[in-house]
Amino acid sequence: TQLLEQSPQFLSIQEGENLTVYCNSSSVFSSLQWYRQEPGEGPVLLVTVVTGGEVKKLKRLTFQFGDARKDSSLHITAAQPGDTGLYLCAGTQDNMLTFGGGTRLMVKP
Amino acid sequence: KAGVTQTPRYLIKTRGQQVTLSCSPISGHRSVSWYQQTPGQGLQFLFEYFSETQRNKGNFPGRFSGRQFSNSRSEMNVSTLELGDSALYLCASSLLAGGANEQFFGPGTRLTVL
Repeated sequence: TQLLEQSPQFLSIQEGENLTVYCNSSSVFSSLQWYRQEPGEGPVLLVTVVTGGEVKKLKRLTFQFGDARKDSSLHITAAQPGDTGLYLCAGTQDNMLTFGGGTRLMVKP
Repeated sequence: KAGVTQTPRYLIKTRGQQVTLSCSPISGHRSVSWYQQTPGQGLQFLFEYFSETQRNKGNFPGRFSGRQFSNSRSEMNVSTLELGDSALYLCASSLLAGGANEQFFGPGTRLTVL
């Protein structure tokens, strides 16, 4: 059982659609990070959220940290094929980073 | 600025052998963390080194060990390899110690144990 549960595990959508990825836990995290990983590469940091209720936007991506700092969501508006990849959330606890299982997103043209 | 480099990129070993993986962090970064990524377990934290000292350790057996040199380069060793050790091993560097700091990942070493 993962400390951080991500859903859905897989998502295949058409270009232009919107989607939301969820990252849930029963534990409180001091901060939460979202990464994207493409085949043959390591994860790349997209955003870090620190404050409960915080919302951050990165172009078409909107990240939210839950009020209780136990969950987070990533919303993508008008998805594009370039958004294809593995999206990982990671929470910080006791100075260690714990990753969720990931959401594999495929955006078809 | 050069990114995190890992060598080798691919490795094939047989059960019982040992392996050493290398990681060169971004210049100026003193923290190096190692992770194991598998389809079943996802990304799992192995250990973190900062200024040549192990700062944190994940829940892995003692067969997994590491070290960091004075130039911040790090090596990871796995002894008595098992089939289940087949995975992508990622290292990440950051300026400061602790998972809350931005981690810059290398491309990984793909280890296959036969």
